[in-house]
Amino acid sequence: TQLLEQSPQFLSIQEGENLTVYCNSSSVFSSLQWYRQEPGEGPVLLVTVVTGGEVKKLKRLTFQFGDARKDSSLHITAAQPGDTGLYLCAGENSSASKIIFGSGTRLSIRP
Amino acid sequence: GAVVSQHPSWVICKSGTSVKIECRSLDFQATTMFWYRQFPKQSLMLMATSNEGSKATYEQGVEKDKFLINHASLTLSTLTVTSAHPEDSSFYICSARDSPYEQYFGPGTRLTVT
Repeated sequence: TQLLEQSPQFLSIQEGENLTVYCNSSSVFSSLQWYRQEPGEGPVLLVTVVTGGEVKKLKRLTFQFGDARKDSSLHITAAQPGDTGLYLCAGENSSASKIIFGSGTRLSIRP
Repeated sequence: GAVVSQHPSWVICKSGTSVKIECRSLDFQATTMFWYRQFPKQSLMLMATSNEGSKATYEQGVEKDKFLINHASLTLSTLTVTSAHPEDSSFYICSARDSPYEQYFGPGTRLTVT
């Protein structure tokens, strides 16, 4: 069974601070995605990374895929209250043709 | 961007009854759709993978006779929770795939069984 562990599970920081969320697995994934979910809504795709070592930037968010394609990180610079939400990583094993979600990181940014 | 809808957005039913949830891809054709359930303050757990025109593939521990999945067309998949019980109360989310690497999620359906 493929497992994706996210850390930390919860994070509460002050507006303006930086933070990093980690997504780790012992399995290799053909692609990895990051989502953000608001309460009572479906997850919204933020980014997809495919190549080992790949780095993608989305405004203040920086996503990195590990060289071995087993882990990923999400770094947020100068966090804002609007960044509050549940962040989920999800990995796909192409042979299994399904996407497995990480355990989730609940982020709270205090104004 | 690709849009996936779910209906209903919330439903309350009595224990022992069955509930059907629809998942539609509105502006693209999806050969594969996925059904997830999410308990409060937890992540999404994959229940089954649904391919158009074939039987769904269920994850370990998910009862196929209780959670009936039908994927009759390239834009519609349905999940029927049969003989629902209070422990089936959850947030059910579907997703649809239009490319090898990306899937788009519906807004979810909150099921409450009384």
